[in-house]
Parts: sequence; C-alpha cells; structure tokens
Amino acid sequence: DGGITQSPKYLFRKEGQNVTLSCEQNLNHDAMYWYRQDPGQGLRLIYYSQIVNDFQKGDIAEGYSVSREKKESFPLTVTSAQKNPTAFYLCASRSRTSGSSDTQYFGPGTRLTVL
Amino acid sequence: ILNVEQSPQSLHVQEGDSTNFTCSFPSSNFYALHWYRWETAKSPEALFVMTLNGDEKKKGRISATLNTKEGYSYLYIKGSQPEDSATYLCAFKLTGGGNKLTFGTGTQLKVEL
Repeated sequence: DGGITQSPKYLFRKEGQNVTLSCEQNLNHDAMYWYRQDPGQGLRLIYYSQIVNDFQKGDIAEGYSVSREKKESFPLTVTSAQKNPTAFYLCASRSRTSGSSDTQYFGPGTRLTVL
Repeated sequence: ILNVEQSPQSLHVQEGDSTNFTCSFPSSNFYALHWYRWETAKSPEALFVMTLNGDEKKKGRISATLNTKEGYSYLYIKGSQPEDSATYLCAFKLTGGGNKLTFGTGTQLKVEL
C-alpha cells in the first residue's frame, strides 16, 4: 500500500541524548515536512524539503536537524540542544506535480518522551 | 509567525445534530485554505482544499465555505454521527509562502449517542 510510515510509534530517551525519528514515503512525492504538536497548539513546522538534497527551516527549527539524501526518506534528529523535546512529531509529504492540490499526506506520528 | 484561529476549541453534540466550526486566517496574500480531519490514533486526513473566494466544497454530509476577503472558512457537518468524532484542523497557505501550511489548533468534535 502507498503511504507514509513513521517509526517508532513511541520513543523514550534520556535527557542530553540525540534521537533520530524515521519518516519514509512510497508515494513518489517530492516534498516532505516535519511538524511538532504540543497540547493546545496547532501543528508547527520544524523543517521541510522540496527536493532531494535540499531543505529549509520551518518556524521552530532550533535544536533539530534533518537530511534528505533519498526522495523517499526524511529523517529528523532531535538534538540535545532542543530545550523541550517531549512532543508528538508528524511527518508529511506532498506531490509537486503541476496541478496538484497541495494536499499534504501525513504519517501516523511518533510520540517522543525525554526523561 | 502568522496565526490561524479556530473556534470553538471543542464541541459535544448529539447524534443527528448539525454543527459548524470556524477558521479565521489573515486575508492578505491568501493562496489556499485546507481542512483536515484527525481521528484519534490515526493520521490527519485531507477533507478539502479551497482557493477561490466563495468556494463551496462538499463530501457526503460535510461541506465547507470560503470567504477570502474577510478571512474565514466554515466547516459544516449535517446530521452528525459518532464516526464524525475527530479533531478538525484548518491550515492556510500564503502566496509566495514557500509551499508551507500554517495550521490552527483545531476543533475537537465529540458526537454522542
């Protein structure tokens, strides 16, 4: 089935450790996005990538890093510099073909808890 | 950071009731308005994308309208069913906004029997 997978569903890490969240899509989409959700807040954009080997900071990029070496993969690293990393993280992708609706398709999310 | 506001924050209705939510967004440099439905333990799912002032979209019992001049969109659910229980998110995109969406906090709907 085509879609977006994120793993793991739940992740626990000790404070001060870097952790990498996986996002894979087999939709052949060019653009991919990482969002963070906190209670009472909307989805906030961390990083996005419109094409392989290129990415841009979103609204809350501090303390995070990404890579886009392959079209289907967009991993997010939460570094020890991120002051409040405990949150729910959603990955999304979007087709960039002409006439597309700009709709983003979302993965199931990863809940990260830093102890 | 531009804001999009949704109201109400949460809503409890009885099965069969009709209901509506509001999404307010900046009206300048508007490009598109998206509605998503996010059921518990699932991924957000796209409902509608609207771009033109006066747009109306419909999918089954759910419909949406768009007013870009005053910066708001309404989502209507007719004859709510328990399976409509979800958080409804709206998101807007600006002209020249770099293919980014700005999301609201959502309206959490619970439909009770």
